[in-house]
Amino acid sequence: AQKITQTQPGMFVQEKEAVTLDCTYDTSDPSYGLFWYKQPSSGEMIFLIYQGSYDQQNATEGRYSLNFQKARKSANLVISASQLGDSAMYFCAMVDWGKLIFGQGTELSVKP
Amino acid sequence: GAGVSQTPSNKVTEKGKYVELRCDPISGHTALYWYRQSLGQGPEFLIYFQGTGAADDSGLPNDRFFAVRPEGSVSTLKIQRTERGDSAVYLCASSLIPPGGEVNEQFFGPGTRLTVL
Repeated sequence: AQKITQTQPGMFVQEKEAVTLDCTYDTSDPSYGLFWYKQPSSGEMIFLIYQGSYDQQNATEGRYSLNFQKARKSANLVISASQLGDSAMYFCAMVDWGKLIFGQGTELSVKP
Repeated sequence: GAGVSQTPSNKVTEKGKYVELRCDPISGHTALYWYRQSLGQGPEFLIYFQGTGAADDSGLPNDRFFAVRPEGSVSTLKIQRTERGDSAVYLCASSLIPPGGEVNEQFFGPGTRLTVL
């Protein structure tokens, strides 16, 4: 069965600095997809970035990039130039026959 | 340009009561999903629909939980004989790309916070 592990319950970063949020996964499927979602205190899940297992390059979306290391089964999210509005919960997820399997999440706090 | 909407935003009920939670997906989205998020946890899958039929209901915790999507659009999650352990935020999501494909971006609603006293 698919499993997502996020080992950092909480992270702090100084405004304008970069931060990496860790995610490791476990699957026996040769083809899979990985997502990162942001959940602010308002509660809504916001899609950030997607990485397919066969994608040749690491995914990037604006200030978000995914450090995808297939052999290590890791898909870490990198946020560059952190902003105060980046303070939120961040969830890594894997798609499993349509449904998403989420990790426990990492709470990011950006300090001014 | 409406996103996924959920009603009510908050529901407080007493143990043993019946509740219904509603989800309006993005227009045209064929797939609809329900998740449950307990405090401090990631969302957990409950059920998803392709059109009107439940394609996967493996996440429903027991037979007190039931969901319908009679016309392939709006969905209702129904919980009978509520228990205190049912207290959580219930999230609904929809997607355009049919499940089974690798890319499956799901758009989430704001959730319904259910509190069972």
